[in-house]
Amino acid sequence: NAGVTQTPKFRVLKTGQSMTLLCAQDMNHEYMYWYRQDPGMGLRLIHYSVGEGTTAKGEVPDGYNVSRLKKQNFLLGLESAAPSQTSVYFCASSYSKRGVTDTQYFGPGTRLTVL
Amino acid sequence: GESVGLHLPTLSVQEGDNSIINCAYSNSASDYFIWYKQESGKGPQFIIDIRSNMDKRQGQRVTVLLNKTVKHLSLQIAATQPGDSAVYFCAENLRAAGYSTLTFGKGTMLLVSP
Repeated sequence: NAGVTQTPKFRVLKTGQSMTLLCAQDMNHEYMYWYRQDPGMGLRLIHYSVGEGTTAKGEVPDGYNVSRLKKQNFLLGLESAAPSQTSVYFCASSYSKRGVTDTQYFGPGTRLTVL
Repeated sequence: GESVGLHLPTLSVQEGDNSIINCAYSNSASDYFIWYKQESGKGPQFIIDIRSNMDKRQGQRVTVLLNKTVKHLSLQIAATQPGDSAVYFCAENLRAAGYSTLTFGKGTMLLVSP
């Protein structure tokens, strides 16, 4: 099992450009998550998905969109990148069924810089 | 809103010592807690978890203690090694509309000297 993988690992954008971050998991997990990590801020939830075709907003969703067309993939999009979106982005997945919590497993991260 | 926090941002220990990393949580309805380890340039790695119906759980060299009375969580690492140097996060499970998400603390840096 590869676990949770993320592409790309690094990216530099100019303000106003768009991009999509891809997360893939091969553990047949139901839940998937996107976080951003900034110095001194810990991990903050951007969006999450509780199953194929469903998404929900997290703590800091503004400026991001997501899609979960396939169970194993969770895409994070930035339509018009801003310098405030410079961060390290982590994807995670968990088995969780409704009402039951399970451990989240993280990918290696994508380091994004917006100039 | 309620949040998870840590008492100590940096903890420095000598190799072989026991380390204790603390975490306070404020949501009394939280029912699941996880400790993660994050090495530089890597994603968080699961260490150990505990559910609210327990007060202690042991793993290999690690023990998590949960005190629901004072809403306190701790991670104990026995015989700390240089490879344990990392940032450690606690996370609590929050339920929203029937689904569960995790809220993370800001992290504690553990520095282990040889």
